[in-house]
Amino acid sequence: QLQLQESGPGLVKPSETLSLTCTVSGGSISSSYYYWGWIRQPPGKGLEWIGSIYYGERIYYNPSLKSRVTISMDTSKNQFSLRLSSVTAADTAVFYCARGRNWNYLERFDYWGQGTLVTVSS
Amino acid sequence: QSALTQPPSASGSPGQSVTISCTGTSSDVGGYNYVSWYQQHPGKAPKLMIYEVNKRPSGVPDRFSGSKSGNTASLTVSGLQAEDEADYYCSSYAGSSLVFGGGTRLTVL
Repeated sequence: QLQLQESGPGLVKPSETLSLTCTVSGGSISSSYYYWGWIRQPPGKGLEWIGSIYYGERIYYNPSLKSRVTISMDTSKNQFSLRLSSVTAADTAVFYCARGRNWNYLERFDYWGQGTLVTVSS
Repeated sequence: QSALTQPPSASGSPGQSVTISCTGTSSDVGGYNYVSWYQQHPGKAPKLMIYEVNKRPSGVPDRFSGSKSGNTASLTVSGLQAEDEADYYCSSYAGSSLVFGGGTRLTVL
């Protein structure tokens, strides 16, 4: 059974960089059948796609976040990561990692991590 | 890119049917047959319910169905059950990006 687990600091100071890692077990992130993504959800609000990565080389970012986001993969650890720079309180959210199907159309996320709350505060 | 438009709330009695709309543009919903729907219970991760407009993943009850007309996609839940009470989100491919709807809270009366 595929499992995804987010990890990283739960508290980040304004203007600093948020860094999260998603560890995948029960499957390989190098598989050509899947891609991997990050989605966030501010408290009490809706879902927002942050970006997705495929094969460690092909990456799409949400245009509204593109200048501040970096997504990368470490196939040796079966992990992929998110970095979001210059954070403000508006970046406070539950961050989810997920597995996607059909990279060509950024199709459905069929497995999700449990989510991790990151609060931006001094 | 702008979020897809969903009604903030919907409701129905047990056994009834309810339909949730998801309106976009010709650059997302109207331009591609890659609309997905997710169910999210409080404090839980979203769960995929519908993909490619009207396909159901294994294990999702056939009470859930999807459709699309023009720039609007719809999720219909038939034979409402108490466990269907949750937030529902649509998403659509938007040309090298993905956009979600604002979410609809479904209440089972």
